[in-house]
Amino acid sequence: ETGVTQSPTHLIKTRGQQVTLRCSSQSGHNTVSWYQQALGQGPQFIFQYYREEENGRGNFPPRFSGLQFPNYSSELNVNALELDDSALYLCASSSPGPGEEKLFFGSGTQLSVL
Amino acid sequence: QKEVEQDPGPLSVPEGAIVSLNCTYSNSAFQYFMWYRQYSRKGPELLMYTYSSGNKEDGRFTAQVDKSSKYISLFIRDSQPSDSATYLCAMSARTGGGNKLTFGTGTQLKVEL
Repeated sequence: ETGVTQSPTHLIKTRGQQVTLRCSSQSGHNTVSWYQQALGQGPQFIFQYYREEENGRGNFPPRFSGLQFPNYSSELNVNALELDDSALYLCASSSPGPGEEKLFFGSGTQLSVL
Repeated sequence: QKEVEQDPGPLSVPEGAIVSLNCTYSNSAFQYFMWYRQYSRKGPELLMYTYSSGNKEDGRFTAQVDKSSKYISLFIRDSQPSDSATYLCAMSARTGGGNKLTFGTGTQLKVEL
C-alpha cells in the first residue's frame, strides 16, 4: 500500500511570488484535503477535493486554490505569497464512507516566504 | 475562544510513567474524535479514532470521550522514549461541506530515560 507523498519537501519563495505544491493520495483513496500548520499550532483546514471538485473550504482567501486530477492526485496553489504563508503544508487522503474522518497525512511541504 | 483547547506543554515524564493528555471543545456537533502523533518535521499519524462517547483501547493507548463534559483524553501506559512527539487531538462533525478536522494546538511530550 502506497502512502501519501508530497513534493517538494522544502521550498523557499519571496513575498508576492506564486507556489504550487503537489500530493499523491494513498492507494484506494479518492478524497484529498489540504491543511496549513504554522509553527507551534495545529493543522488548519484549507479545503478538500472529491471527484475533482472542491468539497468544503476553510477560512482561507481565494489566493489559495487547488486541483484534483483523475488519478486523485492534487495540487495546492498559492498566489501573491505573504510572509504569514510560511508554514508546513500537509496533504491528507481518505476514502468516503464509514471512517471517512480518518485522514492519512503526508510528511508535508515546508514553505518559507522571505 | 478556540473551538478546541489543548495544553501545549511541554510535558516531560520518566520512562514507564502513565501519561494523560487532554482536550476540551466547545462545538457540541463534534461526533468523531481522533488523536494524532506527530514527530518533528513529519506529518501527523493517526493513533486513535472514536465515535461519540466512550473508551477505546489499543495496546498501551486508551482514548476516552465524554461528550457531556466536552472533554477527551488520551492515556499512554508504560511510556517509552519513542513516544516523545507532539500529540494532536482532532474532531469532526461530518455536517457536509467536506470532512473538515478541527485540531488542537498539540501537546509536546518528552519521555526521558
